[in-house]
Amino acid sequence: GESVGLHLPTLSVQEGDNSIINCAYSNSASDYFIWYKQESGKGPQFIIDIRSNMDKRQGQRVTVLLNKTVKHLSLQIAATQPGDSAVYFCAENPGTYKYIFGTGTRLKVLA
Amino acid sequence: DAGVIQSPRHEVTEMGQEVTLRCKPISGHDYLFWYRQTMMRGLELLIYFNNNVPIDDSGMPEDRFSAKMPNASFSTLKIQPSEPRDSAVYFCASSSEGAYEQYFGPGTRLTVT
Repeated sequence: GESVGLHLPTLSVQEGDNSIINCAYSNSASDYFIWYKQESGKGPQFIIDIRSNMDKRQGQRVTVLLNKTVKHLSLQIAATQPGDSAVYFCAENPGTYKYIFGTGTRLKVLA
Repeated sequence: DAGVIQSPRHEVTEMGQEVTLRCKPISGHDYLFWYRQTMMRGLELLIYFNNNVPIDDSGMPEDRFSAKMPNASFSTLKIQPSEPRDSAVYFCASSSEGAYEQYFGPGTRLTVT
């Protein structure tokens, strides 16, 4: 939303298509990761999480993939809907309660 | 549950004035976090509390910022004196012991002119 920024990378997808949002994390010691969704004028909302002992986790219409070798996370959204339009953040936890947040990707769903 | 509650939702003030932001965490949560979000720097952790005690305030920008948590259901973030560069959206979040998931409030949009 307007609080997040005007120069975020933007992913535009057609309604009904699948979306893939990528994130590079910084700390090889991070052992827990979360994807957040932030709609305009709202706070970040938890979508899905994954621990470092897993490489894939599935939720309802969403899948998170973790590649520790290259420190990469991705969020896959199946059958993207207009309500999925938002900014998506990854967050890494290096073992404390102090999360490191990515800069975010804006997802635009085209009708 | 009402979720994390923040007030005010919007604050416009003049440079030099004192600003107080308020937060009520989710009942039963032991951890409370204050974040700042800007276009340039994204989401930054300012300070967090555990059982009302400040654990890490290394993200607090300078002495003009202070945070308190007098009890388990209330926290404040104060800026005195405020400056235009403090303009941002300030979020409060809470989580329970042992749970890494943080629940965010709706934020306070602060504009300092």
